[in-house]
Amino acid sequence: GQNIDQPTEMTATEGAIVQINCTYQTSGFNGLFWYQQHAGEAPTFLSYNVLDGLEEKGRFSSFLSRSKGYSYLLLKELQMKDSASYLCAVRSLQTGANNLFFGTGTRLTVIP
Amino acid sequence: GAGVSQSPSNKVTEKGKDVELRCDPISGHTALYWYRQSLGQGLEFLIYFQGNSAPDKSGLPSDRFSAERTGGSVSTLTIQRTQQEDSAVYLCASSDRTGGRQTQYFGPGTRLLVL
Repeated sequence: GQNIDQPTEMTATEGAIVQINCTYQTSGFNGLFWYQQHAGEAPTFLSYNVLDGLEEKGRFSSFLSRSKGYSYLLLKELQMKDSASYLCAVRSLQTGANNLFFGTGTRLTVIP
Repeated sequence: GAGVSQSPSNKVTEKGKDVELRCDPISGHTALYWYRQSLGQGLEFLIYFQGNSAPDKSGLPSDRFSAERTGGSVSTLTIQRTQQEDSAVYLCASSDRTGGRQTQYFGPGTRLLVL
């Protein structure tokens, strides 16, 4: 089966850097996604990793280590609008085709 | 074009009643997904449609749940004889291809409350 672990909540200060970790266990790993979800809104795509290493996109970066079953999302120069839940999701050949298995998400609160 | 749309945005129903939730995917997207998000829980996969292939129903929690996709576009999720534990946000997503960096675009969801 699938298993994804993320911290439930994190708090960080505006302008700082925060790292949100995600560990997973799955067979037939076929990609890891990060989504952002503001309260009461739909999740929106942030990043995709399928090979080891760091993917950078503006203030957001995502890292993957397949051998360790580990990923993190790095947010730099935090802004108040970054307060949201961050969902780690894994796609595997075991889940079939293309549906994603989501973690419960990390709720990030950015404080002034 | 327009994003994924869902209706209704909110639905309150009585236990035992049937409900239908609708999803309009992004035009041209061949893949469509239904998820459920309960309070404090992660997104739970329900069902997946890809083109004219048989849907992947492996995530449906019981036989009270069913879904169809007409003409490869609009999809309807039906919950029969609703129970209180069915209360959740039902999210629909679509993507324009499968595999690789396929990005799922989510709709705003339908908030279902079963009294």
